[in-house]
Amino acid sequence: DAGVTQSPTHLIKTRGQQVTLRCSPISGHKSVSWYQQVLGQGPQFIFQYYEKEERGRGNFPDRFSARQFPNYSSELNVNALLLGDSALYLCASSRDRLANYGYTFGSGTRLTVV
Amino acid sequence: DAKTTQPNSMESNEEEPVHLPCNHSTISGTDYIHWYRQLPSQGPEYVIHGLTSNVNNRMASLAIAEDRKSSTLILHRATLRDAAVYYCILARAGKSTFGDGTTLTVKP
Repeated sequence: DAGVTQSPTHLIKTRGQQVTLRCSPISGHKSVSWYQQVLGQGPQFIFQYYEKEERGRGNFPDRFSARQFPNYSSELNVNALLLGDSALYLCASSRDRLANYGYTFGSGTRLTVV
Repeated sequence: DAKTTQPNSMESNEEEPVHLPCNHSTISGTDYIHWYRQLPSQGPEYVIHGLTSNVNNRMASLAIAEDRKSSTLILHRATLRDAAVYYCILARAGKSTFGDGTTLTVKP
């Protein structure tokens, strides 16, 4: 089985631009969570989606938004990019909302804002 | 937030056991305790998780305190490939919070 896939793997954007990151969960996993990881720190929770509805939101500004599609894939959108948005963005899928079987993470998208 | 506290770094010799501690005094009754590890430029990798009882799998063992306010990840024989950042998190519906983890160095 394919693991969690994220695209693109790397991208460079200019301040003020908008970016869309994509995530395909493991087949059968209905929950997708997004994390931001700045170099040298642990992942910071951004959103959780389960059954196409937002189930949790971290302390991120409204420039960050996400959605989940009927096939359980997900997109993370970030508007008006700032230099501080440069980070590794991780997607994690789980079978259920409580992650009773653990999370499976993708390899991430490395976003650089210049 | 469900916060966990871990030592910043630990060292071990190859083929010796390693005990990685984690404190989670704010744990609630439905929070699962998860452990993940991360290599540079990779996403975190699942190691083990549990609720109340101690757990064993092919990678590691998880010892959970009776009051659930702390836990210990046990690597029975550390190898060089176990060198990574280890994260203990409390998995909570709608949000699972990572701390800064423990950087494990394994010496040959």
